[in-house]
Amino acid sequence: KNEVEQSPQNLTAQEGEFITINCSYSVGISALHWLQQHPGGGIVSLFMLSSGKKKHGRLIATINIQEKHSSLHITASHPRDSAVYICAVPGAGSYQLTFGKGTKLSVIP
Amino acid sequence: EAQVTQNPRYLITVTGKKLTVTCSQNMNHEYMSWYRQDPGLGLRQIYYSMNVEVTDKGDVPEGYKVSRKEKRNFPLILESPSPNQTSLYFCASSLAVHTTGEAFFGQGTRLTVV
Repeated sequence: KNEVEQSPQNLTAQEGEFITINCSYSVGISALHWLQQHPGGGIVSLFMLSSGKKKHGRLIATINIQEKHSSLHITASHPRDSAVYICAVPGAGSYQLTFGKGTKLSVIP
Repeated sequence: EAQVTQNPRYLITVTGKKLTVTCSQNMNHEYMSWYRQDPGLGLRQIYYSMNVEVTDKGDVPEGYKVSRKEKRNFPLILESPSPNQTSLYFCASSLAVHTTGEAFFGQGTRLTVV
């Protein structure tokens, strides 16, 4: 089973700061998901990526398949970015997802 | 609008009283799954379905049942709920397996079993 580690667990940033959240996994994969969970509990898929880099607005996700590592970056952070960010990787057979425990981000005005 | 709809959003029930949490998607997705989220443990998969009439256990299936009679619906059944099933539940769907398809999540169901 794939082990997924996220860091940091908690992160507090000032508005405007550049933020990085890291995700490492133990077994080679072909794709990785980044999810955002709002304070109200809803979960939204941010990215699914299998190589290189993807960008959506102020969010950038990168993955290094060889090093089994992915990062989620937020540029010019804003209080509305406050949420829990979760990475997830497929398990054997690709029908299961294993999740990291999440990174709780708080952006202070 | 593409969405996954769960009902109810909140539910308080008593031990042993059978309940069903419904999940429906309008994207013609083949793949659907159920997760529970608990503090300190994160999200864990309960059951998943690759297509109509095809289901399989995830990491924590004990105490749960599912069915997939139609492509759009994937209900989660707790035949005899117990307090340790108090949790936040999410249904999700995707076009295909997790190496090719983005996952769409329902709004969540907060279940309390007393």
